[in-house]
Amino acid sequence: SQQGEEDPQALSIQEGENATMNCSYKTSINNLQWYRQNSGRGLVHLILIRSNEREKHSGRLRVTLDTSKKSSSLLITASRAADTASYFCATNMNYGGSQGNLIFGKGTKLSVKP
Amino acid sequence: DAGVIQSPRHEVTEMGQEVTLRCKPISGHNSLFWYRQTMMRGLELLIYFNNNVPIDDSGMPEDRFSAKMPNASFSTLKIQPSEPRDSAVYFCASSVANSEAFFGQGTRLTVV
Repeated sequence: SQQGEEDPQALSIQEGENATMNCSYKTSINNLQWYRQNSGRGLVHLILIRSNEREKHSGRLRVTLDTSKKSSSLLITASRAADTASYFCATNMNYGGSQGNLIFGKGTKLSVKP
Repeated sequence: DAGVIQSPRHEVTEMGQEVTLRCKPISGHNSLFWYRQTMMRGLELLIYFNNNVPIDDSGMPEDRFSAKMPNASFSTLKIQPSEPRDSAVYFCASSVANSEAFFGQGTRLTVV
């Protein structure tokens, strides 16, 4: 299936440390996106990386994409307690130039201890 | 814009009853997604629409589930008849083509 799979399933770190989450997928994609979900809330988009891009930054976030290995990583630097949440990768396939589907992995639960 | 609006936020219903979940996407977005989230199965894509047309409904679990998008500003997900295993959080999301998706706050459905 297209579904991305995050690794690890859970990650616990101290405030100030870096957190790295990985995502693997199986099919060709148009782009890959990372989202964050706080408990009981909707998902919030963090960053989108297109299939022809290899790295992207946004504030304390750094995303890489390796299409040959069908994998992506999300790095959060200098983590804060407020970063505690679940993080999901989502793969987007094209559909004849229009919006394709958006399939989510099962997520990584990040806990940042003060 | 107020973002993607879902209603109701919470729904408790008895097994066998019909349930209708509603979604208002962000104005100008031409794609709409319905997802179901459970602990066991994670976030599952049920169906998505482009320009009000259903493109992929392969994630709809059974014939008991149906979704419509009569116009660009409204969509419904209906479950008839509902069963306890349908209990989950249902999310609606909208986007412009191949860009970031914006999620609603979800509808927590409990079928007893």
